[in-house]
Amino acid sequence: DSGVTQTPKHLITATGQRVTLRCSPRSGDLSVYWYQQSLDQGLQFLIQYYNGEERAKGNILERFSAQQFPDLHSELNLSSLELGDSALYFCASSGYGTGAGSYNEQFFGPGTRLTVL
Amino acid sequence: AQSVTQPDIHITVSEGASLELRCNYSYGATPYLFWYVQSPGQGLQLLLKYFSGDTLVQGIKGFEAEFKRSQSSFNLRKPSVHWSDAAEYFCAVGGRNTGTASKLTFGTGTRLQVTL
Repeated sequence: DSGVTQTPKHLITATGQRVTLRCSPRSGDLSVYWYQQSLDQGLQFLIQYYNGEERAKGNILERFSAQQFPDLHSELNLSSLELGDSALYFCASSGYGTGAGSYNEQFFGPGTRLTVL
Repeated sequence: AQSVTQPDIHITVSEGASLELRCNYSYGATPYLFWYVQSPGQGLQLLLKYFSGDTLVQGIKGFEAEFKRSQSSFNLRKPSVHWSDAAEYFCAVGGRNTGTASKLTFGTGTRLQVTL
Protein backbone atom coordinates (compact mmCIF):
# COMPACT_ATOMS: atom_id res chain seq x y z
CA ASP A 1 0.00 0.00 0.00
CA SER A 2 1.58 3.24 -1.24
CA GLY A 3 -0.56 5.50 0.94
CA VAL A 4 -2.09 7.18 -2.12
CA THR A 5 -5.81 6.60 -2.49
CA GLN A 6 -7.94 7.01 -5.57
CA THR A 7 -11.69 6.86 -5.99
CA PRO A 8 -13.59 5.40 -7.64
CA LYS A 9 -11.78 2.22 -8.70
CA HIS A 10 -13.95 1.77 -11.74
CA LEU A 11 -16.11 4.19 -13.69
CA ILE A 12 -18.33 3.38 -16.64
CA THR A 13 -19.98 6.21 -18.49
CA ALA A 14 -21.21 7.27 -21.90
CA THR A 15 -19.72 9.49 -24.56
CA GLY A 16 -20.31 13.17 -24.00
CA GLN A 17 -20.53 12.84 -20.23
CA ARG A 18 -18.38 14.41 -17.53
CA VAL A 19 -16.64 12.59 -14.68
CA THR A 20 -14.47 13.50 -11.71
CA LEU A 21 -11.65 11.35 -10.42
CA ARG A 22 -10.39 11.90 -6.90
CA CYS A 23 -6.95 11.42 -5.38
CA SER A 24 -5.68 11.73 -1.82
CA PRO A 25 -1.88 11.93 -1.60
CA ARG A 26 0.31 10.36 1.06
CA SER A 27 0.27 12.21 4.34
CA GLY A 28 2.61 15.18 4.11
CA ASP A 29 3.15 15.05 0.34
CA LEU A 30 2.57 18.39 -1.35
CA SER A 31 2.93 17.32 -5.00
CA VAL A 32 0.30 15.43 -6.92
CA TYR A 33 0.73 14.09 -10.43
CA TRP A 34 -1.84 12.64 -12.81
CA TYR A 35 -0.94 10.05 -15.44
CA GLN A 36 -3.00 8.29 -18.09
CA GLN A 37 -2.31 4.70 -19.14
CA SER A 38 -3.90 3.57 -22.39
CA LEU A 39 -3.15 0.76 -24.80
CA ASP A 40 -2.14 3.04 -27.64
CA GLN A 41 -0.39 5.84 -25.74
CA GLY A 42 1.16 3.96 -22.84
CA LEU A 43 1.80 5.80 -19.58
CA GLN A 44 1.70 9.55 -20.09
CA PHE A 45 2.08 12.45 -17.71
CA LEU A 46 -0.94 14.75 -17.67
CA ILE A 47 -0.45 17.41 -15.02
CA GLN A 48 1.27 18.24 -11.74
CA TYR A 49 0.11 20.31 -8.79
CA TYR A 50 2.21 21.49 -5.91
CA ASN A 51 0.55 22.81 -2.77
CA GLY A 52 -2.53 23.93 -4.66
CA GLU A 53 -0.80 25.46 -7.66
CA GLU A 54 -0.42 24.01 -11.12
CA ARG A 55 3.25 23.28 -11.67
CA ALA A 56 3.47 21.55 -15.03
CA LYS A 57 1.31 20.31 -17.86
CA GLY A 58 1.95 17.35 -20.10
CA ASN A 59 -0.22 15.83 -22.79
CA ILE A 60 -3.46 16.90 -21.21
CA LEU A 61 -6.44 17.62 -23.44
CA GLU A 62 -8.34 20.90 -23.12
CA ARG A 63 -11.41 18.86 -22.16
CA PHE A 64 -9.54 17.74 -19.06
CA SER A 65 -8.79 19.88 -16.03
CA ALA A 66 -7.52 19.34 -12.53
CA GLN A 67 -7.20 21.11 -9.24
CA GLN A 68 -5.64 20.59 -5.84
CA PHE A 69 -7.57 21.66 -2.79
CA PRO A 70 -6.32 23.18 0.50
CA ASP A 71 -6.40 19.74 2.14
CA LEU A 72 -4.09 18.63 -0.72
CA HIS A 73 -6.45 16.16 -2.31
CA SER A 74 -6.76 16.51 -6.05
CA GLU A 75 -9.49 16.01 -8.60
CA LEU A 76 -9.19 15.34 -12.31
CA ASN A 77 -12.20 16.42 -14.32
CA LEU A 78 -12.82 14.85 -17.70
CA SER A 79 -15.57 16.32 -19.87
CA SER A 80 -17.16 15.67 -23.27
CA LEU A 81 -15.87 12.15 -22.97
CA GLU A 82 -14.91 10.20 -26.07
CA LEU A 83 -14.34 6.50 -26.57
CA GLY A 84 -10.61 7.16 -26.75
CA ASP A 85 -10.59 8.52 -23.20
CA SER A 86 -11.08 5.01 -21.88
CA ALA A 87 -7.94 4.35 -19.85
CA LEU A 88 -6.46 3.78 -16.44
CA TYR A 89 -5.82 7.07 -14.67
CA PHE A 90 -3.14 7.12 -12.00
CA CYS A 91 -2.44 9.65 -9.36
CA ALA A 92 0.98 9.86 -7.74
CA SER A 93 2.34 11.98 -4.93
CA SER A 94 5.75 13.06 -3.74
CA GLY A 95 7.29 15.26 -1.13
CA TYR A 96 9.45 18.28 -1.84
CA GLY A 97 13.19 18.51 -1.80
CA THR A 98 14.91 20.86 0.58
CA GLY A 99 17.94 21.59 -1.53
CA ALA A 100 19.17 21.95 -5.06
CA GLY A 101 19.40 18.63 -6.81
CA SER A 102 17.00 16.91 -4.49
CA TYR A 103 14.46 14.55 -5.86
CA ASN A 104 11.47 12.89 -4.38
CA GLU A 105 10.24 9.61 -5.74
CA GLN A 106 6.64 9.31 -6.73
CA PHE A 107 4.23 6.93 -5.03
CA PHE A 108 1.37 5.73 -7.18
CA GLY A 109 -2.21 5.05 -6.27
CA PRO A 110 -4.10 1.97 -7.50
CA GLY A 111 -5.68 3.90 -10.37
CA THR A 112 -9.19 4.56 -11.63
CA ARG A 113 -10.26 2.55 -14.64
CA LEU A 114 -12.49 4.66 -16.87
CA THR A 115 -14.59 3.00 -19.53
CA VAL A 116 -16.46 5.21 -21.99
CA LEU A 117 -19.22 3.44 -23.92
CA ALA B 1 13.16 16.13 -24.40
CA GLN B 2 13.44 13.10 -22.22
CA SER B 3 12.54 9.65 -23.48
CA VAL B 4 12.82 5.99 -22.52
CA THR B 5 13.08 2.99 -24.80
CA GLN B 6 12.30 -0.54 -23.73
CA PRO B 7 13.11 -2.59 -26.82
CA ASP B 8 11.53 -5.82 -25.63
CA ILE B 9 7.74 -5.80 -25.63
CA HIS B 10 7.38 -9.35 -24.36
CA ILE B 11 9.85 -11.74 -22.71
CA THR B 12 9.31 -15.32 -21.62
CA VAL B 13 11.65 -17.04 -19.18
CA SER B 14 11.53 -20.29 -17.26
CA GLU B 15 11.18 -20.21 -13.52
CA GLY B 16 14.62 -20.26 -11.94
CA ALA B 17 16.30 -18.74 -14.99
CA SER B 18 18.03 -15.38 -14.94
CA LEU B 19 16.37 -12.26 -16.30
CA GLU B 20 17.56 -9.04 -17.89
CA LEU B 21 15.15 -6.34 -19.06
CA ARG B 22 16.64 -3.60 -21.19
CA CYS B 23 16.11 0.12 -20.81
CA ASN B 24 17.73 2.99 -22.69
CA TYR B 25 17.07 6.60 -21.86
CA SER B 26 17.60 10.04 -23.31
CA TYR B 27 17.95 12.94 -20.92
CA GLY B 28 19.78 16.24 -21.17
CA ALA B 29 21.22 16.25 -17.67
CA THR B 30 21.93 13.78 -14.91
CA PRO B 31 18.98 11.40 -14.99
CA TYR B 32 17.11 9.94 -12.12
CA LEU B 33 16.05 6.43 -13.14
CA PHE B 34 13.37 4.10 -11.89
CA TRP B 35 11.95 0.66 -12.48
CA TYR B 36 8.29 0.05 -11.65
CA VAL B 37 6.31 -3.19 -11.79
CA GLN B 38 2.61 -3.49 -12.56
CA SER B 39 0.72 -6.69 -11.91
CA PRO B 40 -2.53 -7.25 -13.83
CA GLY B 41 -5.21 -4.84 -12.63
CA GLN B 42 -2.85 -3.27 -10.13
CA GLY B 43 -1.07 0.01 -9.69
CA LEU B 44 2.63 0.73 -10.10
CA GLN B 45 5.06 -0.45 -7.48
CA LEU B 46 8.57 0.96 -7.30
CA LEU B 47 11.22 -1.77 -7.60
CA LEU B 48 14.32 0.40 -7.39
CA LYS B 49 15.73 3.80 -8.17
CA TYR B 50 19.02 5.41 -9.11
CA PHE B 51 19.83 8.94 -8.09
CA SER B 52 23.62 9.02 -7.78
CA GLY B 53 26.56 7.12 -6.37
CA ASP B 54 27.03 3.39 -6.84
CA THR B 55 25.87 2.49 -10.33
CA LEU B 56 24.60 -0.92 -9.23
CA VAL B 57 21.43 -0.50 -7.22
CA GLN B 58 19.52 -3.09 -5.29
CA GLY B 59 15.77 -3.14 -5.10
CA ILE B 60 12.96 -5.14 -3.65
CA LYS B 61 12.08 -8.73 -4.53
CA GLY B 62 15.70 -9.56 -5.41
CA PHE B 63 15.94 -7.17 -8.37
CA GLU B 64 18.96 -5.06 -9.21
CA ALA B 65 19.78 -2.60 -11.96
CA GLU B 66 22.98 -1.13 -13.33
CA PHE B 67 23.33 2.43 -14.56
CA LYS B 68 25.73 2.78 -17.48
CA ARG B 69 26.13 6.40 -18.47
CA SER B 70 28.25 5.61 -21.55
CA GLN B 71 25.49 3.42 -22.93
CA SER B 72 22.56 5.48 -21.61
CA SER B 73 21.19 2.29 -20.15
CA PHE B 74 19.60 1.15 -16.93
CA ASN B 75 18.95 -2.58 -17.32
CA LEU B 76 17.02 -4.55 -14.73
CA ARG B 77 18.27 -7.96 -13.65
CA LYS B 78 17.28 -10.84 -11.42
CA PRO B 79 19.42 -13.98 -10.98
CA SER B 80 16.52 -16.41 -10.52
CA VAL B 81 12.98 -15.62 -11.59
CA HIS B 82 9.94 -16.77 -9.63
CA TRP B 83 6.52 -17.42 -11.16
CA SER B 84 5.17 -14.50 -9.11
CA ASP B 85 7.44 -12.13 -11.06
CA ALA B 86 5.16 -12.37 -14.09
CA ALA B 87 4.00 -8.80 -14.63
CA GLU B 88 4.67 -5.71 -16.72
CA TYR B 89 7.83 -3.76 -16.02
CA PHE B 90 8.30 -0.08 -16.72
CA CYS B 91 11.49 1.92 -16.84
CA ALA B 92 11.15 5.64 -16.16
CA VAL B 93 13.34 8.72 -16.17
CA GLY B 94 12.86 11.92 -14.21
CA GLY B 95 14.76 15.02 -13.37
CA ARG B 96 15.97 16.85 -10.34
CA ASN B 97 13.44 18.59 -8.18
CA THR B 98 14.57 22.19 -8.29
CA GLY B 99 11.15 23.55 -7.52
CA THR B 100 9.85 22.91 -11.01
CA ALA B 101 8.11 19.92 -12.40
CA SER B 102 9.66 16.54 -11.89
CA LYS B 103 7.42 14.43 -14.06
CA LEU B 104 8.32 10.87 -14.94
CA THR B 105 8.63 9.73 -18.54
CA PHE B 106 7.93 6.04 -18.93
CA GLY B 107 8.95 3.46 -21.47
CA THR B 108 6.35 1.34 -23.21
CA GLY B 109 6.86 -1.53 -20.81
CA THR B 110 8.05 -5.13 -21.05
CA ARG B 111 5.61 -7.89 -20.29
CA LEU B 112 7.30 -10.78 -18.50
CA GLN B 113 5.86 -14.25 -18.74
CA VAL B 114 7.27 -17.02 -16.53
CA THR B 115 6.90 -20.64 -17.51
CA LEU B 116 6.99 -23.41 -14.94
